[in-house]
Amino acid sequence: AQSVSQHNHHVILSEAASLELGCNYSYGGTVNLFWYVQYPGQHLQLLLKYFSGDPLVKGIKGFEAEFIKSKFSFNLRKPSVQWSDTAEYFCAVGLTGKLIFGQGTTLQVKP
Amino acid sequence: NAGVTQTPKFQVLKTGQSMTLQCAQDMNHEYMSWYRQDPGMGLRLIHYSVGAGITDQGEVPNGYNVSRSTTEDFPLRLLSAAPSQTSVYFCASSSVSGTREKLFFGSGTQLSVL
Repeated sequence: AQSVSQHNHHVILSEAASLELGCNYSYGGTVNLFWYVQYPGQHLQLLLKYFSGDPLVKGIKGFEAEFIKSKFSFNLRKPSVQWSDTAEYFCAVGLTGKLIFGQGTTLQVKP
Repeated sequence: NAGVTQTPKFQVLKTGQSMTLQCAQDMNHEYMSWYRQDPGMGLRLIHYSVGAGITDQGEVPNGYNVSRSTTEDFPLRLLSAAPSQTSVYFCASSSVSGTREKLFFGSGTQLSVL
């Protein structure tokens, strides 16, 4: 079955530290990939998406992600996190008619 | 624009009770879906619909029913609530099939089943 795996369940960083959240998927065909963020008490918002073309995609708030087809990965990165990045982050794969989400990674940024 | 509207925001049920979570969108989106969010498990797809009159099962459909009689509405029914259905439920919509467009989420329904 198709699945999405996020390796880190809980990440704690200090402000200005660099961030990388791992995401792997198990689907061999063409996929569309997403990262969503959920700030405390809010619903999910789209950070960035990849459909085709340049495998390095840039999203909002300084986030970027790199699609590596050979590794079935779509890791999220940010060079310097801020306290306001404290949130839960979800990787998702778009398949025909539906999105499959990973388990989520909680990011806590200490001021 | 209201976007995706979910009601109620909070609900407490007793085991065996039935209820319907309402979801409506005013963006004329074809694709609508229901997810449940549980700690450590991310969002899991319950049911989805690619258009009026068409529904399909997601990852965790057992215990839930849906129907899509109009483009705007996609209610989720719990026929006999169980404690395992305690969760936060999100409705989402998007244009086309949802695989190439971002999802618009409702604000969620926090459901507790005692």
